[in-house]
Amino acid sequence: NAGVTQTPKFRVLKTGQSMTLLCAQDMNHEYMYWYRQDPGMGLRLIHYSVGEGTTAKGEVPDGYNVSRLKKQNFLLGLESAAPSQTSVYFCASSQQQGWRTEAFFGQGTRLTVV
Amino acid sequence: KQEVTQIPAALSVPEGENLVLNCSFTDSAIYNLQWFRQDPGKGLTSLLLIQSSQREQTSGRLNASLDKSSGRSTLYIAASQPGDSATYLCAVPNSNSGYALNFGKGTSLLVTP
Repeated sequence: NAGVTQTPKFRVLKTGQSMTLLCAQDMNHEYMYWYRQDPGMGLRLIHYSVGEGTTAKGEVPDGYNVSRLKKQNFLLGLESAAPSQTSVYFCASSQQQGWRTEAFFGQGTRLTVV
Repeated sequence: KQEVTQIPAALSVPEGENLVLNCSFTDSAIYNLQWFRQDPGKGLTSLLLIQSSQREQTSGRLNASLDKSSGRSTLYIAASQPGDSATYLCAVPNSNSGYALNFGKGTSLLVTP
């Protein structure tokens, strides 16, 4: 019962470095999401995908790119990390069936940019 | 834009008390409302999902109610225990962004022995 798995769990980057966060789900969900969580700001949507090969911008997309080449994976990339991207990143997936929409979350990736 | 607000931001109660957490939302055209629990440094665990047509949903000592017309939901925790200490988040899906969830900022609950 893996659900939604994020790797890595922790990472420290230097300003300007790049990295990719991986999200994998084994529930065959169509919809996947990346959020960031910051103190006092709550959870904010970065990018989302409504199916394999599709991506769309959320509330705070600047500085991030995403790809959904396979249905089960959703990658979040930082091309040139900035201290403002220090945050906890959560991936989620859901299967849209109207009111039955229920989201499942990964355990998070704690990223520090120094 | 759907705004989700949770009151209070923090709550401290002695063990055994019954308590109510509040969630309000500005757009009543919701599909459902979901309550989550988040322990420090951990991910989000789904507690309850209430359909838009439902009034209540129960799981063990937890009871969530939904009043769409007034834009409110409450999470009732009966006979609180120290293990209930966590942050509780409510969220509603936004159909304009792939049903991504709009979250409140949460209520941080501390149950003291």
